[in-house]
Amino acid sequence: QQQVKQSPQSLIVQKGGISIINCAYENTAFDYFPWYQQFPGKGPALLIAIRPDVSEKKEGRFTISFNKSAKQFSLHIMDSQPGDSATYFCAAGPRGYTGKLIFGQGTTLQVKP
Amino acid sequence: DADVTQTPRNRITKTGKRIMLECSQTKGHDRMYWYRQDPGLGLRLIYYSFDVKDINKGEISDGYSVSRQAQAKFSLSLESAIPNQTALYFCATSDSLSGLDTQYFGPGTRLTVL
Repeated sequence: QQQVKQSPQSLIVQKGGISIINCAYENTAFDYFPWYQQFPGKGPALLIAIRPDVSEKKEGRFTISFNKSAKQFSLHIMDSQPGDSATYFCAAGPRGYTGKLIFGQGTTLQVKP
Repeated sequence: DADVTQTPRNRITKTGKRIMLECSQTKGHDRMYWYRQDPGLGLRLIYYSFDVKDINKGEISDGYSVSRQAQAKFSLSLESAIPNQTALYFCATSDSLSGLDTQYFGPGTRLTVL
């Protein structure tokens, strides 16, 4: 039972372009939505996170957009760079900080020079 | 030195063998997790521990067991390995006192079961 669905599975973007990765969740008890970035041979690391009291959060070139009514959230990478090439995972965590996260399937991003 | 370390980094074993993956952390975090990563399936939680005396099953605990030997150490065992346990395994930690939900991952163990 996949509670967080992520798309696309892979994405190729030209340098300077915008990368967009989408996630949808089912459980309305989720109230924490992080994105993790994983480089080859490394463990995932937190990139940016949002809670549903805001519809957007921006950190540098990375933006999370959140649509509570549609139960969807997305990661936008502006001015994508080759160094952004990595696997990205969205995740969702339930209310009350149980420490448990449900991860999406992952998106492999390649940014071409 | 890395805050979250995993040993071994790579392991090849045969069907039916018992194998243990170890995780150590120097972050002082109370919570520890074991995940497996498979292509197209993302990261799935195997077991998690909120303190030394607290062990909980995750989404896919069948075929696995864990031991929290100390706050800093959390090991994952495959009692009788099977080929579909071939995967990349990650340990992670988090700090319940920080007020943040961030999980910190180790570098992973690539396990191949022949």
